[in-house]
Amino acid sequence: EAGVVQSPRYKIIEKKQPVAFWCNPISGHNTLYWYLQNLGQGPELLIRYENEEAVDDSQLPKDRFSAERLKGVDSTLKIQPAELGDSAVYLCASSLGDLAGAHDEQFFGPGTRLTVL
Amino acid sequence: SQQGEEDPQALSIQEGENATMNCSYKTSINNLQWYRQNSGRGLVHLILIRSNEREKHSGRLRVTLDTSKKSSSLLITASRAADTASYFCATDGGSNYKLTFGKGTLLTVNP
Repeated sequence: EAGVVQSPRYKIIEKKQPVAFWCNPISGHNTLYWYLQNLGQGPELLIRYENEEAVDDSQLPKDRFSAERLKGVDSTLKIQPAELGDSAVYLCASSLGDLAGAHDEQFFGPGTRLTVL
Repeated sequence: SQQGEEDPQALSIQEGENATMNCSYKTSINNLQWYRQNSGRGLVHLILIRSNEREKHSGRLRVTLDTSKKSSSLLITASRAADTASYFCATDGGSNYKLTFGKGTLLTVNP
């Protein structure tokens, strides 16, 4: 079974440029998460989707960050414009969804390492 | 904000020794999970312990949970060089299925 797929794996851009990350969750997983991980820190949730609905985006900086999951499968996270402080690893994760106990384990992709110059 | 705090921040041991990492948290939880992250790889789920459980085993892993002290420990027995990684505890508060991760413990197992 394929795991969570993310692309690109690495991205280097200049500040003020836009950037987009793509995630394809494990087939059948209804819940999708985007996390940000700074160096030496644990991941921090940016947004959680249940199917195509964003049910928790309280930590998403909405002035420059946006996300979508139009058909309830793959998802895109965008930053426009990027700032120096956005340099980090962006992780996508998925879980089975709204079944008893199914929210418990999250499966993570390899992440996209963003460098903003 | 991060709820869990792992201790120590870094741990270096010899192959075959046991490694113990601790996690403290602040608010009530539904469950607590441990994840491993190797360099260049994503996070991998290791084990989950629910708030009504006190101890759980999985292979060479042993997790304990003390909800009265709001703390958990992860024991890796007979460590191997391949166990070298960062280990994170993550708490699930239960209200919105949000996992809150700590800063992690960097474990180095020397051959």
